[in-house]
Amino acid sequence: GAGVSQSPSNKVTEKGKDVELRCDPISGHTALYWYRQRLGQGLEFLIYFQGNSAPDKSGLPSDRFSAERTGESVSTLTIQRTQQEDSAVYLCASRTGQRNEQFFGPGTRLTVL
Amino acid sequence: GEDVEQSLFLSVREGDSSVINCTYTDSSSTYLYWYKQEPGAGLQLLTYIFSNMDMKQDQRLTVLLNKKDKHLSLRIADTQTGDSAIYFCAESKADKLIFGTGTRLQVFP
Repeated sequence: GAGVSQSPSNKVTEKGKDVELRCDPISGHTALYWYRQRLGQGLEFLIYFQGNSAPDKSGLPSDRFSAERTGESVSTLTIQRTQQEDSAVYLCASRTGQRNEQFFGPGTRLTVL
Repeated sequence: GEDVEQSLFLSVREGDSSVINCTYTDSSSTYLYWYKQEPGAGLQLLTYIFSNMDMKQDQRLTVLLNKKDKHLSLRIADTQTGDSAIYFCAESKADKLIFGTGTRLQVFP
């Protein structure tokens, strides 16, 4: 079946512009996660959605970052007034079940010039 | 500490075994995971181990868990060039996964 998909795969933007990244989770997966991976580094948790519960936003680095999810489907991560330090790969994952086994999308590589 | 720790690099000859080590932080983690990331790709779940197990074997992969020392390892037997990638361990903490910094495995002929 279809896995997690993300778009765009690459995004180049100018400093100060807003960007919107999209994630389509696996159908039926109730939980959705966003991570940031800077070059040569591990994964940094950003935000977590579970069903209709309030999202866990504890990993968002600043108020320039926000995310939405409609029901148990698509999620968008928005970064306002992008800065060069926002350059990274943004990964989305979804899961179902009790094992916290997360399935990852291919990521969006964001480059802020 | 708060971090899941891994060594940064490992280089092995094709056909040898690779052992990637990880030290995690939360003794109450129910599951521990190993993910593989190939260049330009997302993370792929390789295997996982339940915390009440000491060892799990899955084809060329062997996971060892030492709960007392909070130490997890991944052994890859007969390492191939296609195994070259970054390997992340992760511990479960509530509904989240806490990832290590990743170990870059390089396999040379």
